[in-house]
Amino acid sequence: QKEVEQDPGPLSVPEGAIVSLNCTYSNSAFQYFMWYRQYSRKGPELLMYTYSSGNKEDGRFTAQVDKSSKYISLFIRDSQPSDSATYLCATLGAAGNKLTFGGGTRVLVKP
Amino acid sequence: EAGVAQSPRYKIIEKRQSVAFWCNPISGHATLYWYQQILGQGPKLLIQFQNNGVVDDSQLPKDRFSAERLKGVDSTLKIQPAKLEDSAVYLCASSLRQGAGGYTFGSGTRLTVV
Repeated sequence: QKEVEQDPGPLSVPEGAIVSLNCTYSNSAFQYFMWYRQYSRKGPELLMYTYSSGNKEDGRFTAQVDKSSKYISLFIRDSQPSDSATYLCATLGAAGNKLTFGGGTRVLVKP
Repeated sequence: EAGVAQSPRYKIIEKRQSVAFWCNPISGHATLYWYQQILGQGPKLLIQFQNNGVVDDSQLPKDRFSAERLKGVDSTLKIQPAKLEDSAVYLCASSLRQGAGGYTFGSGTRLTVV
């Protein structure tokens, strides 16, 4: 079993729709949870991170963590064609020395 | 703030040849990481440096991969000899300190082994 799992997609939505992305993880020791966005031929860039359970909002992006079910979510409101990318969830243990990524979900927002 | 610089951007080699990648982290970042990203997968950590010391190389195939970070700044990752399954993007990242928000990735080197 992989430590962090994501549906690879692709997830295709019309412009303006809400994009809903999910990850599950297996190691209860993970403390930090992150979402990265990766455009084609670019490195991942950090979108959001949360510590432990709860919600965090930043503009059109909302991240949720449910540690009881080991479930991580990212919601993108009012999606734009520029949001078309691969979204990677990642986790970090309390020691903070190893970022573990899911396989990524490819998102396509159609004008 | 300048980003993480990597070179070359692309490299095509034949199997059994050797190849080296270079990374220049953000100035002042003590921690440097090399990740391997195979097409359609998430990045996988190969090696982590803290200054010029190795923190974690548990997933580095040491029979063919080597990495060094002289003087705690630039780093090189070498593969010798390369195999077909080494075809991937090699990403370098750096951080001021270990922690959630501190990683900055370069654009990577895309390696194709034929």
